[in-house]
Amino acid sequence: DAKTTQPNSMESNEEEPVHLPCNHSTISGTDYIHWYRQLPSQGPEYVIHGLTSNVNNRMASLAIAEDRKSSTLILHRATLRDAAVYYCILRDSPGNQFYFGTGTSLTVIP
Amino acid sequence: EAGVTQFPSHSVIEKGQTVTLRCDPISGHDNLYWYRRVMGKEIKFLLHFVKESKQDESGMPNNRFLAERTGGTYSTLKVQPAELEDSGVYFCASSQTQRVSTDTQYFGPGTRLTVL
Repeated sequence: DAKTTQPNSMESNEEEPVHLPCNHSTISGTDYIHWYRQLPSQGPEYVIHGLTSNVNNRMASLAIAEDRKSSTLILHRATLRDAAVYYCILRDSPGNQFYFGTGTSLTVIP
Repeated sequence: EAGVTQFPSHSVIEKGQTVTLRCDPISGHDNLYWYRRVMGKEIKFLLHFVKESKQDESGMPNNRFLAERTGGTYSTLKVQPAELEDSGVYFCASSQTQRVSTDTQYFGPGTRLTVL
């Protein structure tokens, strides 16, 4: 069911930028790209979303490839609190389902 | 503003028993979703309510699962009778907008269900 492919795990040093990749080669024109993360023992939380253009918010940036077949979540300065599983999710309209996939487990090294 | 709450946080029951999970969405959120992660698998969508109506229940695994949202406020998910493979974490989420493709879903902490 999952429409996205992500690396199972990544590591980053604290206070360095992190680039989390996601491939979604079967994306359709109406699919939005959402990123959520799940901290240990918590439910998933929203990070960012976009359709075609790159997006920035206080948590992260989302870079979307021109052909939309891939995207990258950028954490500008990783902190220990950013250690989580990051999910890249496609959400179509008018569909309702989130396809979570396996996500990327990010480890931040002090 | 209170977030999405779920009760109980953990439930341990025996195979064949009944369990009811409850989700209280953020006040004013019309959309309510149920998801679950069974052991070692991905988080899977179960169903989506818009107010009290089931908009999409295509993810419900079988007729042992019954979800309700009477009055369009809180929701319950009943499993009857529970089987071993139902063990996992059940998440509830809510969102506000009508444009479901862009809305932000706010997740609760989950209910961990263990069926022995």
